Amino acid sequence: GAVVSQHPSWVICKSGTSVKIECRSLDFQATTMFWYRQFPKQSLMLMATSNEGSKATYEQGVEKDKFLINHASLTLSTLTVTSAHPEDSSFYICSAPPDMDGNNQPQHFGDGTRLSIL
Amino acid sequence: AQKVTQAQTEISVVEKEDVTLDCVYETRDTTYYLFWYKQPPSGELVFLIRRNSFDEQNEISGRYSWNFQKSTSSFNFTITASQVVDSAVYFCALSREGDFNKFYFGSGTKLNVKP
Repeated sequence: GAVVSQHPSWVICKSGTSVKIECRSLDFQATTMFWYRQFPKQSLMLMATSNEGSKATYEQGVEKDKFLINHASLTLSTLTVTSAHPEDSSFYICSAPPDMDGNNQPQHFGDGTRLSIL
Repeated sequence: AQKVTQAQTEISVVEKEDVTLDCVYETRDTTYYLFWYKQPPSGELVFLIRRNSFDEQNEISGRYSWNFQKSTSSFNFTITASQVVDSAVYFCALSREGDFNKFYFGSGTKLNVKP
C-alpha cells in the first residue's frame, strides 16, 4: 500500500488564493522530503528539498516566497503555493526516502496533487 | 551537471509488439544511480528498476528488460510482447551518490499500446 500520502489529490481554486498541499510519510519517519512539479506533458522538475526542523533548500529558479515549505514533524511536509495564479497550475508530487537502509530501497512517491488555478 | 535525455517523446505500437525506450544520461560522477518509473494516466509514479553505476549487468523481470551500457551512457528499457496496460509515460531518472534521493528526470516517453 501507499507509504507516502499526499493531500489533496486535486484542487481547483481562484487566482490569488493560497493553496496548501500536504505530504505525509506513513509508518516511517522522513527527515527529508522532496517536492517536484510537473507541467502537462512535461517531466518532473525538482523544486525543493524539505528538511525537518530547518529551512528548505530550493532549486535554482524556484521562488521560495512563492512556494513555502514547512517540515514541522518527521512525518509531515507541506507546500503552500501563495497567491496562486494560472501559471502555477501543475501536478505537484512529493517523495520521501525510506528511513532505514535507504540506498537499497527506492524512495516513495506520493500520488500527486493536481492544482488548477482559474 | 546531471542530465537525462529521452529522445522519444511518444511511441505507438500494436499489442504484442516489442518496444524499446531509450535513455541517455550525462554526469561527471563515477558513482550514480539510474531509475525507470512508470506514470499511468492517474499520475502516480510506479518504481520499475534501480541500477547503480557499478552494476552493468542487464536485468530481466518478466516482460521487462533493461540494458545498461556505460560506454554509451545509456540505460534502455525494453518491453517484450507489449500489452495495452503498458500504456503510460515512462521516465528515466538519475541520482548522485551523496544525494541519492534527489532525482533528475528525463522528459519522459509516452507509450501507446493499441489492441
